[in-house]
Amino acid sequence: KAGVTQTPRYLIKTRGQQVTLSCSPISGHRSVSWYQQTPGQGLQFLFEYFSETQRNKGNFPGRFSGRQFSNSRSEMNVSTLELGDSALYLCASSLANGYGYTFGSGTRLTVV
Amino acid sequence: GENVEQHPSTLSVQEGDSAVIKCTYSDSASNYFPWYKQELGKRPQLIIDIRSNVGEKKDQRIAVTLNKTAKHFSLHITETQPEDSAVYFCAQPPANTDKLIFGTGTRLQVFP
Repeated sequence: KAGVTQTPRYLIKTRGQQVTLSCSPISGHRSVSWYQQTPGQGLQFLFEYFSETQRNKGNFPGRFSGRQFSNSRSEMNVSTLELGDSALYLCASSLANGYGYTFGSGTRLTVV
Repeated sequence: GENVEQHPSTLSVQEGDSAVIKCTYSDSASNYFPWYKQELGKRPQLIIDIRSNVGEKKDQRIAVTLNKTAKHFSLHITETQPEDSAVYFCAQPPANTDKLIFGTGTRLQVFP
């Protein structure tokens, strides 16, 4: 079966712009979580969606937002980009309770 | 609480030696403990996991042990090979969520 698909793979944006990243989960997975990974850092939790509802949110400013559609696909948006937002953004989907957690290949965002 | 401590942050071993990475968690209600491997430039991938009803699980050269009383779980890699070189993350899903809280990662280097 198809894995978790993230688009686009690479993005270059300038400070102040906004960006939208997309994630299509594995078929049948209803939970989607987003993580930010920066060089030398671990995986920082952004938010988690289940059945179109945000169930958990990490410690990120309000510039970071997301949503989930009825087909479980998810998008995250970052407004007013800052240089420090440059990172690999990973999406992961799961069946339930973190089991079967599978990551996409990520979107590498560079803010210049 | 939602906290996972992982040690060591870096680990260098000679090919053929064993490697052990340990994680300590705080949420006593958690019952699922996965380990992920992330090779350079790639997505994190699940390599082994354990449920709270067992104390040890093996899969060829890797094993995970769980001590629920002490609230820690460990990854054991035997007969290490250069291709084991990667960053390893432990994780824990807080109760009643579909998100994973990750440890800070261990960079394992296996020298030939």
